[in-house]
Amino acid sequence: NAGVMQNPRHLVRRRGQEARLRCSPMKGHSHVYWYRQLPEEGLKFMVYLQKENIIDESGMPKERFSAEFPKEGPSILRIQQVVRGDSAAYFCASSPPETLGEKLFFGSGTQLSVL
Amino acid sequence: KQEVTQIPAALSVPEGENLVLNCSFTDSAIYNLQWFRQDPGKGLTSLLLIQSSQREQTSGRLNASLDKSSGRSTLYIAASQPGDSATYLCAPQKGNYGQNFVFGPGTRLSVLP
Repeated sequence: NAGVMQNPRHLVRRRGQEARLRCSPMKGHSHVYWYRQLPEEGLKFMVYLQKENIIDESGMPKERFSAEFPKEGPSILRIQQVVRGDSAAYFCASSPPETLGEKLFFGSGTQLSVL
Repeated sequence: KQEVTQIPAALSVPEGENLVLNCSFTDSAIYNLQWFRQDPGKGLTSLLLIQSSQREQTSGRLNASLDKSSGRSTLYIAASQPGDSATYLCAPQKGNYGQNFVFGPGTRLSVLP
């Protein structure tokens, strides 16, 4: 059973471009969470999704950021018109439906660098 | 709003030492608290989960304690090994589901052979 897969591992974008980060949860997991880790800071919650539904997006910036978890395929975190302040490590975590989100399995993250 | 601090920010010890990592949080109304390990370039791995009704949890050389009323948790690592070198994150959880974790900034541990 493969773990949570994130790709790409490293992503370089110029200011104004779009960044698309992908996350494939563990098999059988229906809950996906996205977190952002800025240098020297802790992980900050961004968004919680279940298949085809956004459950909680209270941690998402109001503009330029969006997330989806379609019926088929990976979850996507999309950042439009990136700025230097978006440079961070973005982590995805998944949990199985029978738990209450206590057991999180993390991917290795995508390091986004904005030039 | 929950604020989490961890002391020390970084720690370097020789192999074999016992050590204590500290975590403080401002809101004691928590559901549980977890300690995670993060290796460079990797995601987080859960080490120990303490329910709010518990005082401590043990796994191998790791022991975590929780004093909810004072907003403190400690992670004790016995007989440290170079393989323990990593960043350790404390994360109190205020309710169900993963959006309710608040992660501390971490303690970066180096165990020297």
